[in-house]
Amino acid sequence: SQQGEEDPQALSIQEGENATMNCSYKTSINNLQWYRQNSGRGLVHLILIRSNEREKHSGRLRVTLDTSKKSSSLLITASRAADTASYFCATATGGGNKLTFGTGTQLKVEL
Amino acid sequence: SAVISQKPSRDICQRGTSLTIQCQVDSQVTMMFWYRQQPGQSLTLIATANQGSEATYESGFVIDKFPISRPNLTFSTLTVSNMSPEDSSIYLCSAERGNTIYFGEGSWLTVV
Repeated sequence: SQQGEEDPQALSIQEGENATMNCSYKTSINNLQWYRQNSGRGLVHLILIRSNEREKHSGRLRVTLDTSKKSSSLLITASRAADTASYFCATATGGGNKLTFGTGTQLKVEL
Repeated sequence: SAVISQKPSRDICQRGTSLTIQCQVDSQVTMMFWYRQQPGQSLTLIATANQGSEATYESGFVIDKFPISRPNLTFSTLTVSNMSPEDSSIYLCSAERGNTIYFGEGSWLTVV
């Protein structure tokens, strides 16, 4: 089964608003990575957060990780229409870096 | 970051045929991975491809259906064999660099 479950499955907001997506996983992880996928395209890497980190920032993105709750969140501040995409969390476990992906959140930012 | 190029980007294939997808990385990497993304779904790992050894397949994927080559540290191929409409998916190549996994643009296959 999928390692990660994301919610919401779909999110529609107005430009300028903040968007928050949540990811839950089931087992201990080495790291958790967030990706963006524009329709039918490849994945763009956004942020990697290690299991011993609690928060990371990159531009308008903020990722938090709570290993006690086995959950992570991605916050996009001051959203833009260009942020419209699907967002996936992915966890790396064990000795390698095979990723297990969450179900994804479809974000739509309207003008 | 890593730049990963995939070919073809898109193709329409006849059922029963096979298609080979090529993946080129801009510099040497140890580990490369192949994922499948069925329509409207998330990504599922097909196999891990390391240079100099056979690919390691995940549960539900077999070498006869998805043979993989890894002739050097910058290149890999995935073949989708004897295709059926259920194989219509985006196939994505990825590579690891510094614990981060980077992806190519994907190859969108439609089997008719």
